[in-house]
Amino acid sequence: GAVVSQHPSRVICKSGTSVKIECRSLDFQATTMFWYRQFPKQSLMLMATSNEGSKATYEQGVEKDKFLINHASLTLSTLTVTSAHPEDSSFYICSAMSGTRGNEQFFGPGTRLTVL
Amino acid sequence: GENVEQHPSTLSVQEGDSAVIKCTYSDSASNYFPWYKQELGKGPQLIIDIRSNVGEKKDQRIAVTLNKTAKHFSLHITETQPEDSAVYFCAALYTSGTYKYIFGTGTRLKVLA
Repeated sequence: GAVVSQHPSRVICKSGTSVKIECRSLDFQATTMFWYRQFPKQSLMLMATSNEGSKATYEQGVEKDKFLINHASLTLSTLTVTSAHPEDSSFYICSAMSGTRGNEQFFGPGTRLTVL
Repeated sequence: GENVEQHPSTLSVQEGDSAVIKCTYSDSASNYFPWYKQELGKGPQLIIDIRSNVGEKKDQRIAVTLNKTAKHFSLHITETQPEDSAVYFCAALYTSGTYKYIFGTGTRLKVLA
Protein backbone atom coordinates (compact mmCIF):
# COMPACT_ATOMS: atom_id res chain seq x y z
CA GLY A 1 0.00 0.00 0.00
CA ALA A 2 0.83 3.72 0.10
CA VAL A 3 1.54 4.20 -3.58
CA VAL A 4 1.84 7.62 -5.15
CA SER A 5 1.90 8.07 -8.90
CA GLN A 6 2.95 11.03 -11.02
CA HIS A 7 2.11 11.80 -14.60
CA PRO A 8 3.82 12.43 -16.89
CA SER A 9 7.17 10.93 -15.94
CA ARG A 10 8.95 13.01 -18.53
CA VAL A 11 7.91 16.07 -20.52
CA ILE A 12 9.64 18.33 -23.00
CA CYS A 13 7.99 21.61 -23.91
CA LYS A 14 8.72 24.86 -25.69
CA SER A 15 9.50 28.04 -23.83
CA GLY A 16 6.33 29.99 -23.03
CA THR A 17 4.00 27.02 -22.82
CA SER A 18 2.35 25.64 -19.69
CA VAL A 19 2.78 22.15 -18.32
CA LYS A 20 0.55 20.30 -15.87
CA ILE A 21 1.86 17.53 -13.63
CA GLU A 22 -0.52 15.23 -11.78
CA CYS A 23 0.12 13.56 -8.45
CA ARG A 24 -2.21 10.81 -7.25
CA SER A 25 -2.37 8.75 -4.10
CA LEU A 26 -3.58 5.38 -5.35
CA ASP A 27 -4.58 3.51 -2.22
CA PHE A 28 -5.01 6.08 0.51
CA GLN A 29 -6.48 9.49 1.09
CA ALA A 30 -3.89 12.23 1.22
CA THR A 31 -4.86 15.10 3.46
CA THR A 32 -1.63 16.88 2.61
CA MET A 33 0.51 16.82 -0.52
CA PHE A 34 3.92 18.39 -0.99
CA TRP A 35 5.62 19.56 -4.16
CA TYR A 36 9.41 19.58 -4.42
CA ARG A 37 11.89 20.44 -7.12
CA GLN A 38 15.32 18.92 -7.37
CA PHE A 39 18.20 20.16 -9.50
CA PRO A 40 20.95 17.75 -10.56
CA LYS A 41 23.06 16.54 -7.65
CA GLN A 42 21.14 18.66 -5.19
CA SER A 43 18.67 18.05 -2.42
CA LEU A 44 14.91 18.31 -2.55
CA MET A 45 13.62 21.83 -2.13
CA LEU A 46 10.08 22.22 -0.89
CA MET A 47 8.03 24.43 -3.19
CA ALA A 48 4.62 24.29 -1.58
CA THR A 49 2.30 22.40 0.70
CA SER A 50 -1.28 21.76 -0.32
CA ASN A 51 -4.20 20.61 1.75
CA GLU A 52 -7.34 19.27 0.15
CA GLY A 53 -9.88 21.97 -0.53
CA SER A 54 -7.73 24.91 0.50
CA LYS A 55 -5.11 27.15 -1.05
CA ALA A 56 -1.55 25.94 -1.18
CA THR A 57 1.10 27.37 1.12
CA TYR A 58 4.14 28.41 -0.89
CA GLU A 59 7.69 28.55 0.35
CA GLN A 60 9.57 31.81 0.28
CA GLY A 61 10.85 32.61 -3.17
CA VAL A 62 8.39 30.36 -5.02
CA GLU A 63 6.07 32.33 -7.31
CA LYS A 64 2.52 31.19 -6.72
CA ASP A 65 1.33 32.68 -10.03
CA LYS A 66 3.93 30.69 -11.91
CA PHE A 67 3.53 27.39 -10.10
CA LEU A 68 -0.21 26.83 -9.76
CA ILE A 69 -1.20 24.10 -7.35
CA ASN A 70 -4.63 22.57 -7.08
CA HIS A 71 -5.59 19.91 -4.53
CA ALA A 72 -9.14 19.25 -5.61
CA SER A 73 -9.63 15.88 -3.97
CA LEU A 74 -8.08 13.65 -1.34
CA THR A 75 -6.29 11.65 -4.02
CA LEU A 76 -5.22 14.24 -6.58
CA SER A 77 -3.02 17.32 -6.62
CA THR A 78 -1.78 19.09 -9.73
CA LEU A 79 1.15 21.42 -10.34
CA THR A 80 0.98 23.66 -13.40
CA VAL A 81 4.13 25.41 -14.50
CA THR A 82 2.86 28.43 -16.40
CA SER A 83 4.83 30.15 -19.16
CA ALA A 84 7.72 27.78 -18.66
CA HIS A 85 11.27 28.89 -19.34
CA PRO A 86 14.52 26.91 -19.61
CA GLU A 87 15.41 27.76 -16.00
CA ASP A 88 12.27 25.88 -14.91
CA SER A 89 13.80 22.66 -16.21
CA SER A 90 14.11 20.38 -13.21
CA PHE A 91 12.96 17.18 -11.56
CA TYR A 92 9.61 17.77 -9.86
CA ILE A 93 8.56 15.34 -7.14
CA CYS A 94 5.35 15.16 -5.19
CA SER A 95 4.67 13.41 -1.93
CA ALA A 96 1.51 12.64 -0.02
CA MET A 97 0.79 12.38 3.65
CA SER A 98 -2.18 10.71 5.29
CA GLY A 99 -3.44 11.60 8.71
CA THR A 100 -4.10 7.93 9.40
CA ARG A 101 -0.47 6.90 8.79
CA GLY A 102 1.24 9.21 11.20
CA ASN A 103 3.52 11.77 9.65
CA GLU A 104 5.02 9.51 7.02
CA GLN A 105 5.15 10.93 3.52
CA PHE A 106 5.10 8.78 0.42
CA PHE A 107 6.88 10.02 -2.68
CA GLY A 108 5.90 9.83 -6.30
CA PRO A 109 8.44 8.73 -8.92
CA GLY A 110 9.06 12.28 -10.11
CA THR A 111 8.59 14.20 -13.37
CA ARG A 112 11.52 15.34 -15.45
CA LEU A 113 10.65 18.67 -17.09
CA THR A 114 12.80 20.00 -19.90
CA VAL A 115 11.96 23.42 -21.34
CA LEU A 116 13.56 24.17 -24.67
CA GLY B 1 15.60 29.10 10.95
CA GLU B 2 14.76 25.64 9.74
CA ASN B 3 17.87 23.77 8.74
CA VAL B 4 19.18 20.21 8.46
CA GLU B 5 22.88 19.63 7.96
CA GLN B 6 24.13 16.33 6.58
CA HIS B 7 27.63 14.85 6.43
CA PRO B 8 29.48 13.55 4.56
CA SER B 9 28.44 14.62 1.08
CA THR B 10 30.14 11.58 -0.45
CA LEU B 11 31.12 8.28 1.09
CA SER B 12 32.93 5.32 -0.43
CA VAL B 13 33.17 2.03 1.42
CA GLN B 14 34.29 -1.47 0.58
CA GLU B 15 31.60 -4.08 0.25
CA GLY B 16 30.90 -5.60 3.64
CA ASP B 17 32.04 -2.56 5.60
CA SER B 18 29.73 -0.22 7.51
CA ALA B 19 28.59 3.23 6.46
CA VAL B 20 27.51 6.02 8.77
CA ILE B 21 25.78 9.24 7.75
CA LYS B 22 25.10 12.01 10.24
CA CYS B 23 22.55 14.80 10.39
CA THR B 24 21.89 17.73 12.67
CA TYR B 25 18.62 19.63 12.91
CA SER B 26 17.88 23.06 14.29
CA ASP B 27 14.33 23.01 15.65
CA SER B 28 14.01 21.27 19.01
CA ALA B 29 10.27 20.84 18.37
CA SER B 30 10.92 18.39 15.52
CA ASN B 31 9.66 14.93 16.43
CA TYR B 32 9.97 12.75 13.33
CA PHE B 33 13.12 11.95 11.37
CA PRO B 34 12.92 9.83 8.22
CA TRP B 35 15.76 8.63 6.00
CA TYR B 36 15.34 8.24 2.26
CA LYS B 37 17.25 6.42 -0.45
CA GLN B 38 17.13 7.90 -3.93
CA GLU B 39 18.34 6.13 -7.03
CA LEU B 40 19.10 8.00 -10.22
CA GLY B 41 16.00 9.38 -11.92
CA LYS B 42 13.62 8.12 -9.25
CA GLY B 43 11.73 9.55 -6.32
CA PRO B 44 13.04 9.05 -2.76
CA GLN B 45 12.06 5.90 -0.92
CA LEU B 46 11.70 5.72 2.83
CA ILE B 47 14.14 3.22 4.29
CA ILE B 48 13.81 3.85 8.02
CA ASP B 49 12.47 6.49 10.36
CA ILE B 50 12.60 7.38 14.04
CA ARG B 51 10.39 9.38 16.33
CA SER B 52 11.56 11.55 19.16
CA ASN B 53 10.32 9.22 21.88
CA VAL B 54 12.96 6.57 21.07
CA GLY B 55 16.73 6.69 20.83
CA GLU B 56 17.40 3.88 18.37
CA LYS B 57 15.62 1.79 15.79
CA LYS B 58 16.91 -1.12 13.73
CA ASP B 59 15.67 -2.91 10.64
CA GLN B 60 17.98 -5.70 9.48
CA ARG B 61 21.17 -4.04 8.20
CA ILE B 62 19.91 -0.51 8.75
CA ALA B 63 19.72 1.36 12.03
CA VAL B 64 19.04 4.93 13.05
CA THR B 65 20.03 6.64 16.28
CA LEU B 66 18.68 9.88 17.72
CA ASN B 67 20.21 12.20 20.30
CA LYS B 68 17.54 14.76 21.09
CA THR B 69 19.74 16.78 23.42
CA ALA B 70 22.38 17.31 20.78
CA LYS B 71 19.80 17.39 17.95
CA HIS B 72 21.75 14.74 16.06
CA PHE B 73 20.54 11.64 14.25
CA SER B 74 22.53 9.11 12.28
CA LEU B 75 22.00 6.34 9.74
CA HIS B 76 24.04 3.18 10.08
CA ILE B 77 24.27 0.60 7.30
CA THR B 78 26.13 -2.61 8.12
CA GLU B 79 27.45 -5.28 5.76
CA THR B 80 27.10 -2.92 2.82
CA GLN B 81 26.33 -4.31 -0.62
CA PRO B 82 26.78 -2.77 -4.09
CA GLU B 83 23.01 -2.29 -4.34
CA ASP B 84 23.20 0.05 -1.35
CA SER B 85 24.93 2.57 -3.65
CA ALA B 86 22.61 5.57 -3.98
CA VAL B 87 22.02 9.04 -2.59
CA TYR B 88 20.71 9.12 0.96
CA PHE B 89 18.77 12.03 2.45
CA CYS B 90 17.85 12.68 6.04
CA ALA B 91 14.88 14.86 6.88
CA ALA B 92 13.23 16.45 9.87
CA LEU B 93 9.56 17.18 10.23
CA TYR B 94 8.77 20.69 11.38
CA THR B 95 5.34 21.17 12.86
CA SER B 96 5.32 24.90 13.64
CA GLY B 97 2.19 26.13 11.90
CA THR B 98 1.89 23.60 9.06
CA TYR B 99 3.66 20.30 8.58
CA LYS B 100 6.87 20.69 6.59
CA TYR B 101 9.82 18.41 5.91
CA ILE B 102 13.27 19.90 5.67
CA PHE B 103 15.83 17.76 3.88
CA GLY B 104 19.54 17.40 4.39
CA THR B 105 21.86 18.03 1.47
CA GLY B 106 22.31 14.34 0.69
CA THR B 107 25.10 11.78 0.84
CA ARG B 108 26.25 9.92 -2.24
CA LEU B 109 27.21 6.43 -1.07
CA LYS B 110 29.35 4.20 -3.25
CA VAL B 111 29.87 0.62 -2.21
CA LEU B 112 32.91 -0.80 -3.95
CA ALA B 113 32.80 -4.48 -4.86
